Amino acid sequence: DIQMTQSPSTLSASVGDRVTVTCRASQSISSWLAWYQQKPGKAPNLLIYKASSLESGVPSRFSGSGSGTEFTLTISSLQPDDFATYYCQQYNRPWTFGQGTKVEIK
Amino acid sequence: EVQLVESGGGLEQPGGSLRLSCAASGFTFSNYEINWVRQAPGEGLEWVAYISSSGSTTDYADSVKGRFTISRDNAKNLVYLQMNSLRAEDTAVYYCARESLKGFEYWGQGTLVTVSS
Repeated sequence: DIQMTQSPSTLSASVGDRVTVTCRASQSISSWLAWYQQKPGKAPNLLIYKASSLESGVPSRFSGSGSGTEFTLTISSLQPDDFATYYCQQYNRPWTFGQGTKVEIK
Repeated sequence: EVQLVESGGGLEQPGGSLRLSCAASGFTFSNYEINWVRQAPGEGLEWVAYISSSGSTTDYADSVKGRFTISRDNAKNLVYLQMNSLRAEDTAVYYCARESLKGFEYWGQGTLVTVSS
């Protein structure tokens, strides 16, 4: 199975900061990568698909990049609503998720 | 509006069984693949099971293979997860999710399964 490794596990940042989360795949997944945001007690919400495509309704401050084995999620200017946990997922069956990155208030 | 609603969770003893249901609405159910994903308390997301749009193909995580069975009823817009031989480590919130080329595009609100004596 393809292993997904996210870093960092926790990220402390302030409103307005530029934030980057990295996800590495144990083998090439082309661009078959999605990013999700999850808030406590809620289901995950799709942000980015095919590594860099923004899901409808998601603010443009979110962006994704990468291909092959190295991917990043960037929030250009962190907003109060963005404090949450973020997961990457590769979608070659069997699907696997990264372990998550919690973005907390500094 | 696409909706997925899970039900059937609860408290079960180790070795017991539970059947989860996922009720879908707002889209042509028989056109879409469905997955179950779980999240243990305080932990990350773990994919559990997959079923194709017709129900002819299924797949499971190694952690549940041989114990869990996924099925669907396209006439009733329902997906099921039959969970047998439950273990403490199966304790989690279970989500159903609609799959597309975007990944897991829509998720239900989840149902909590607790396995404890």
